[in-house]
Amino acid sequence: QKEVEQNSGPLSVPEGAIASLNCTYSDRVSQSFFWYRQYSGKSPELIMSIYSNGDKEDGRFTAQLNKASQYVSLLIRDSQPSDSATYLCAVVDSGAGSYQLTFGKGTKLSVIP
Amino acid sequence: DVKVTQSSRYLVKRTGEKVFLECVQDMDHENMFWYRQDPGLGLRLIYFSYDVKMKEKGDIPEGYSVSREKKERFSLILESASTNQTSMYLCASSRLGQSRETQYFGPGTRLLVL
Repeated sequence: QKEVEQNSGPLSVPEGAIASLNCTYSDRVSQSFFWYRQYSGKSPELIMSIYSNGDKEDGRFTAQLNKASQYVSLLIRDSQPSDSATYLCAVVDSGAGSYQLTFGKGTKLSVIP
Repeated sequence: DVKVTQSSRYLVKRTGEKVFLECVQDMDHENMFWYRQDPGLGLRLIYFSYDVKMKEKGDIPEGYSVSREKKERFSLILESASTNQTSMYLCASSRLGQSRETQYFGPGTRLLVL
C-alpha cells in the first residue's frame, strides 16, 4: 500500500511569517506531486504541482521536491489569515494506468492575525 | 474554466434507502473518481472510471456501486444506505494518460444517513 505522510498539525504561524508544510511518500517511482488547499466544508483546490527535483515558485508559494529523500514540501511566505486551511499532499500512483492520486491526510494550518 | 458539479450539496437519507449521487464534468475528461472524506481518515478512493462503461474498484468499494453511461457523467450508488456511510463525498475528474494531469474536484455532497 503506497503511503503519503503528513503532520496533521495544527500548525500555527503568525501573520507575515513563513509556513512550512512537509510530506513524505513511500513510492520511489512516483513522478508527479501536488499540493491542494481545502477550506473547512469545501472541496480541495490545486495550488501547486511539481515534477522535478528542486524548487518551484508561484507567488507566495514554493514547492520543494527531493526524490532521493522521498520528500516534498510547501512553503507559504508572508502568511495571511486567508491561508488558514488544510493542505493536502498528493502523489501520483505511477503503477496505475489511470494515474490515481494517493493523498496524505492533510496538515491544518492556522495563521494568527 | 474547469467545472465539476455534483447533484446535491447536502442530503439526508434513511438507513436502507438507495441513494444516487451524480457528478458531471464539462472538460471532456476521460478519468472520473469518487472519494469519501472523513475526519482523521483523509480522502479515500471508492471507485474510478477511465472510460464510458468502464469502472475500477478503489480502496473502499464495499457497499457502493457506480455507473458511467456517458463520458461527462459518473454516478455513485449506495445500494442500501447505512449510518457508517455518513460522510462527505467528493467527485473528481482528470485527463487520461498524463501523470502530470491534476484532478479537479466538485464541491462535494455531505450525506447524512439516519
